[in-house]
Amino acid sequence: AQSVTQLGSHVSVSEGALVLLRCNYSSSVPPYLFWYVQYPNQGLQLLLKYTSAATLVKGINGFEAEFKKSETSFHLTKPSAHMSDAAEYFCAVTINQAGTALIFGKGTTLSVSS
Amino acid sequence: EAGVTQSPTHLIKTRGQQATLRCSPISGHTSVYWYQQALGLGLQFLLWYDEGEERNRGNFPPRFSGRQFPNYSSELNVNALELEDSALYLCASSPKGLDTEAFFGQGTRLTVV
Repeated sequence: AQSVTQLGSHVSVSEGALVLLRCNYSSSVPPYLFWYVQYPNQGLQLLLKYTSAATLVKGINGFEAEFKKSETSFHLTKPSAHMSDAAEYFCAVTINQAGTALIFGKGTTLSVSS
Repeated sequence: EAGVTQSPTHLIKTRGQQATLRCSPISGHTSVYWYQQALGLGLQFLLWYDEGEERNRGNFPPRFSGRQFPNYSSELNVNALELEDSALYLCASSPKGLDTEAFFGQGTRLTVV
């Protein structure tokens, strides 16, 4: 079965600093990987997804993630944090097999200070 | 285009009662997923419906059940409510294909007292 581990339940950065949110996955077959963001009292919004095409994936709001098979990682980065990036971020995995669904990590709360 | 809509937005029930949560997917989406987001536990996969059939369920007891209607809307039923069932219940929909994006609703906040 596939699973996702997000390292660090809370990450704090200063405005303008690099954002790095870590995600490691476990899957016996090639995975599809996703990053979602959740703002307070809202549902989840897709930031980006990896589906076996380019290993460097660019998403919305300046975020990107790199799929590294050798490290089983799919870390999310943004060169310069903005106050509006403060939210909870979820990494998720699924596989191309009937009967499976998205499996989420426990989430990382990003705080951005001025 | 309307997004995924869930009703009600808030629901307060007493322990032992039943709760019914509803979800309308985006037009054209045939898959509906239900997730439970309890404090500190992240999103736990509950149920997946596609074309009216239950395709998969997570590690939840049988008192969590649901169904999908011919118009692809869905209901989640929770029987014999327990205090630990208090959580945000999120519904998502997607078109066919496991590599497609799942679009989430705003959720139903269920409080069991």
